[in-house]
Amino acid sequence: AQSVAQPEDQVNVAEGNPLTVKCTYSVSGNPYLFWYVQYPNRGLQFLLKYITGDNLVKGSYGFEAEFNKSQTSFHLKKPSALVSDSALYFCAVRDRVNAGNNRKLIWGLGTSLAVNP
Amino acid sequence: EAGVTQFPSHSVIEKGQTVTLRCDPISGHDNLYWYRRVMGKEIKFLLHFVKESKQDESGMPNNRFLAERTGGTYSTLKVQPAELEDSGVYFCASSQGRLNTGELFFGEGSRLTVL
Repeated sequence: AQSVAQPEDQVNVAEGNPLTVKCTYSVSGNPYLFWYVQYPNRGLQFLLKYITGDNLVKGSYGFEAEFNKSQTSFHLKKPSALVSDSALYFCAVRDRVNAGNNRKLIWGLGTSLAVNP
Repeated sequence: EAGVTQFPSHSVIEKGQTVTLRCDPISGHDNLYWYRRVMGKEIKFLLHFVKESKQDESGMPNNRFLAERTGGTYSTLKVQPAELEDSGVYFCASSQGRLNTGELFFGEGSRLTVL
C-alpha cells in the first residue's frame, strides 16, 4: 500500500537553530513530493515541491527540502528557525501519471513544529 | 483575489442528523478536491471534481456521503445521516490545470463534530 511516514509527532527547536522535519514514503514509481504547512486556525498552505532536477528544492519562508531517491526521503529543512515557523507540517506525495482518476495526494500524519524563543 | 472559502467553519450535530458543507473554490479553478482529517489520523482523499464532473470518488467512505458541484463552481458535501465516526475536519482545495505537478490551494476547513 502507498504510504507516507512522518516519524516524529513533534519537533522542538530553539529559535535560530537549524530544523529538520522528516518524511519518507513508500509509493510505487517516482512520485511528485510536496510539503504543506498549517498555521493555527488556518488552512493548509503549499510550501514547496519536488518534480524533477536538483535534489534540493527551495520554497517559501526560507524552507528547503532534500529529495533522496535511494532512501525514499524528502526531509524539510531550514537553516535558522523562527518562532513564527511553529505550525503543523505535512508531507504528501502524488503519482506522476496524469490519469484522470489519479490526482489525489497521499499524506503523512503531520509533524508539529515548536520553535522556542 | 479571494482564496478557497468553506462554510461552516464548525458544525456540531447529533448522530442521525444531516449536515451540508460548502466550498467555494478560487475563481477559474476547474479542479476541486475534498479531503478529510479524522483526529489522530492522516488526511484522506475523498473525491475530485473537474468542473462539474466527478473525476475520482474512490475515497468517499460510503453512500451516506454525497458531493455535488452543479455548474462547476461551488461544491457541497452532504452527510446523511451522520455517524460518530464522521467527526473530523473536512478540507476543500482547488487548483488549475491538468497536471499532477500543480499545488493545491486549501480552505480553512470545516470541523464537524457528531455527538
